[in-house]
Amino acid sequence: QKEVEQDPGPLSVPEGAIVSLNCTYSNSAFQYFMWYRQYSRKGPELLMYTYSSGNKEDGRFTAQVDKSSKYISLFIRDSQPSDSATYLCAMSPPGGGNKLTFGTGTQLKVEL
Amino acid sequence: NAGVTQTPKFRVLKTGQSMTLLCAQDMNHEYMYWYRQDPGMGLRLIHYSVGEGTTAKGEVPDGYNVSRLKKQNFLLGLESAAPSQTSVYFCASNRDRGVNQPQHFGDGTRLSIL
Repeated sequence: QKEVEQDPGPLSVPEGAIVSLNCTYSNSAFQYFMWYRQYSRKGPELLMYTYSSGNKEDGRFTAQVDKSSKYISLFIRDSQPSDSATYLCAMSPPGGGNKLTFGTGTQLKVEL
Repeated sequence: NAGVTQTPKFRVLKTGQSMTLLCAQDMNHEYMYWYRQDPGMGLRLIHYSVGEGTTAKGEVPDGYNVSRLKKQNFLLGLESAAPSQTSVYFCASNRDRGVNQPQHFGDGTRLSIL
């Protein structure tokens, strides 16, 4: 069983929809949680990071962490075609920012 | 604003051949990383470096060697390529291991081994 599980998709939604992307994990030591966005034939870029449990909002993006359920989510409001990409979750234990454990990524397509 | 630059972008090798992938960063970062990305497996850490002259093994180091002779460069070597090493290789760097220091990624090297 992988430490981090992520539904690979693909997920197809109409423009303007609210998108929910999720990861589950098994290692209770993980304290830092990140979401990366990866466009086709490009490297991942960091979207958001959160520490421990709670919510964090940045524009149209909201990251949620539920440590009791070992479950993290990324919500995208008012989705745009430019949001079409693969979204990777990543996580690390305290002090382990140099050793990230990544999910396999969810491919998202936002259609006009 | 080059960031992290990987060369080459594409390469096809025959089994048993050797090659070196080059990663260069212009952000004066201490930490550098090599990952491979395979379908259904996600990004997996091959080797990493916490500073010039240092290297350490990651999750999947077998069959690869690395060197960090200069702070700005991190080289990944395949001494005898195998079809199982067909993958997309990404280099990343960050200032230190703090999580508020995101890893900056290059755009990858697509490597096929026949």
